[in-house]
Amino acid sequence: DAMVIQNPRYQVTQFGKPVTLSCSQTLNHNVMYWYQQKSSQAPKLLFHYYDKDFNNEADTPDNFQSRRPNTSFCFLDIRSPGLGDAAMYLCATSRGSGGAYYNEQFFGPGTRLTVL
Amino acid sequence: TQLLEQSPQFLSIQEGENLTVYCNSSSVFSSLQWYRQEPGEGPVLLVTVVTGGEVKKLKRLTFQFGDARKDSSLHITAAQPGDTGLYLCAGGGRGKLTFGQGTILTVHP
Repeated sequence: DAMVIQNPRYQVTQFGKPVTLSCSQTLNHNVMYWYQQKSSQAPKLLFHYYDKDFNNEADTPDNFQSRRPNTSFCFLDIRSPGLGDAAMYLCATSRGSGGAYYNEQFFGPGTRLTVL
Repeated sequence: TQLLEQSPQFLSIQEGENLTVYCNSSSVFSSLQWYRQEPGEGPVLLVTVVTGGEVKKLKRLTFQFGDARKDSSLHITAAQPGDTGLYLCAGGGRGKLTFGQGTILTVHP
């Protein structure tokens, strides 16, 4: 089945120690998103890639970076995690064509990040 | 800025009861999605509504998009414990989803 895969499902890191979360997809979607979600709240968009074009949200801290080496993979790098960065991180994909977007997004299972 | 007001925020009911969750906005959305999220998992897309006045049914779940495409509702008939979860409405536009605050539904056996 076509799907969005996130690894690891659970990640524990220490305060200030860089961490990388990964996302892969078999949907062949050209748009990939990273969201942060805290306890029973709505997901908060951090940034997204439209093909290779990176689109950052204005309120996303510089501490969060992303890489997309190819269509299938996308990485979220947290350079110096703080206690406030403990959250569920969700990857999502959607289709885009000619600069326009299809609004349906398909989410992965998430990575739960704990910062000690 | 587009906002979606989702209500109620919490809903605790007994198995077999009916319920409705509302999602309202002052903005027009080109489409609206409903997601269900279980603890520790990502949101799962339940339905997308696109046309004003559209009604879609998914087993015991009925979704409606307002005529003006500014609001939507989710009605669950004869709720079951397996319906427990976080329900999110999300309005689509220009590649971004505007999420409602979510409704935490608990269905007790």
